[in-house]
Amino acid sequence: EDKVVQSPLSLVVHEGDTVTLNCSYEVTNFRSLLWYKQEKKAPTFLFMLTSSGIEKKSGRLSSILDKKELFSILNITATQTGDSAIYLCAVEPTANAGGTSYGKLTFGQGTILTVHP
Amino acid sequence: DTGVSQNPRHKITKRGQNVTFRCDPISEHNRLYWYRQTLGQGPEFLTYFQNEAQLEKSRLLSDRFSAERPKGSFSTLEIQRTEQGDSAMYLCASSSYRVPGEQYFGPGTRLTVT
Repeated sequence: EDKVVQSPLSLVVHEGDTVTLNCSYEVTNFRSLLWYKQEKKAPTFLFMLTSSGIEKKSGRLSSILDKKELFSILNITATQTGDSAIYLCAVEPTANAGGTSYGKLTFGQGTILTVHP
Repeated sequence: DTGVSQNPRHKITKRGQNVTFRCDPISEHNRLYWYRQTLGQGPEFLTYFQNEAQLEKSRLLSDRFSAERPKGSFSTLEIQRTEQGDSAMYLCASSSYRVPGEQYFGPGTRLTVT
């Protein structure tokens, strides 16, 4: 069974701090790892990572994947109060050795990030 | 608004009653997913459709749960004989078949069973 573990479960910082969120995973046939941000509503897509060592970046957010050690990190620099949210990590397996994906995501518990002014 | 929509947004029901939720995906997406999320947990996969075909259902899903997508557009999720343990946020998401992992979620339906 696929499994995703995130750490820390919660984090409280002040504006301007840099944070690193961790995600480790177990999956039978790996296709991708995804990061989502969830505020008081539905998760919104941040990043999809498929290759080891290649950093994905969007503004102050960046993420990298290590397929050998089975983990990913999400970095947020110069945090703002608007970054306060739950950050979810998920893995997407392939349905079979042929590489077809169903999109059946397994999510971690999430990291609750609180940014104080 | 061309995002994923769900109705109702909130549902309070008494134990033993049946409830039905609706999801309207992004129109060009042929894949539709249902997830359930409880407090302090990430979304848990329930089932998924490609067009009108239901291709997988979670083994954890009770027989009281059924989902349909009759014309390959909107989908409904029905829970029969609700139990207090069914109280949760029910999320719908859609994606294209090209990038199935990049899913767009609706606002969810919060179910409370009393």
